[in-house]
Amino acid sequence: NAGVTQTPKFQVLKTGQSMTLQCAQDMNHEYMSWYRQDPGMGLRLIHYSVGAGITDQGEVPNGYNVSRSTTEDFPLRLLSAAPSQTSVYFCASSYHNEQFFGPGTRLTVL
Amino acid sequence: AQKITQTQPGMFVQEKEAVTLDCTYDTSDQSYGLFWYKQPSSGEMIFLIYQGSYDEQNATEGRYSLNFQKARKSANLVISASQLGDSAMYFCAMRENHSGAGSYQLTFGKGTKLSVIP
Repeated sequence: NAGVTQTPKFQVLKTGQSMTLQCAQDMNHEYMSWYRQDPGMGLRLIHYSVGAGITDQGEVPNGYNVSRSTTEDFPLRLLSAAPSQTSVYFCASSYHNEQFFGPGTRLTVL
Repeated sequence: AQKITQTQPGMFVQEKEAVTLDCTYDTSDQSYGLFWYKQPSSGEMIFLIYQGSYDEQNATEGRYSLNFQKARKSANLVISASQLGDSAMYFCAMRENHSGAGSYQLTFGKGTKLSVIP
């Protein structure tokens, strides 16, 4: 099992550009989520999904869109990047009492 | 009010000694779960230990144990026999039951940076 994979590992964007952070898991978990981590902070929930076709907002959803067409994939879209979205992004999938995190994507918005 | 409070921004411990990392939480739910994660300098999030609010015994996983004091709303992580590889950020997190069935939303604290001294 590859677990949770994220691409890309690093990305630099200009303000106003759009991009999609990819997340995939091969553990057949229903629940997936996206977090962002800013310096000196813990992780904050952006969006989550309890299964294919079902998504909902977390604590900091503004500026981000998600969709869940399959159990395996949960992409995060930035429609118009802003410097405030500079952060490290983690995708996670969950089963029972454990969340499996991906390796993270470090995003810089200039 | 913060839901998860980690009051120690940084801690030092001598190799082979035990160390306690503090975590207090705030919730009105009766059913909830508490987690600890380790984040080494490489950046990945590593699950360490879980404690359910109804678990009567403190959780243990190898050198990690969770000192769960429900009345005080504290869930401190105890690392025994510290090793150099334990140097990392440690995050306490909580899942509240009101988030809904099948939800695994976690609320994280700001973390504690642990440095193990040889």
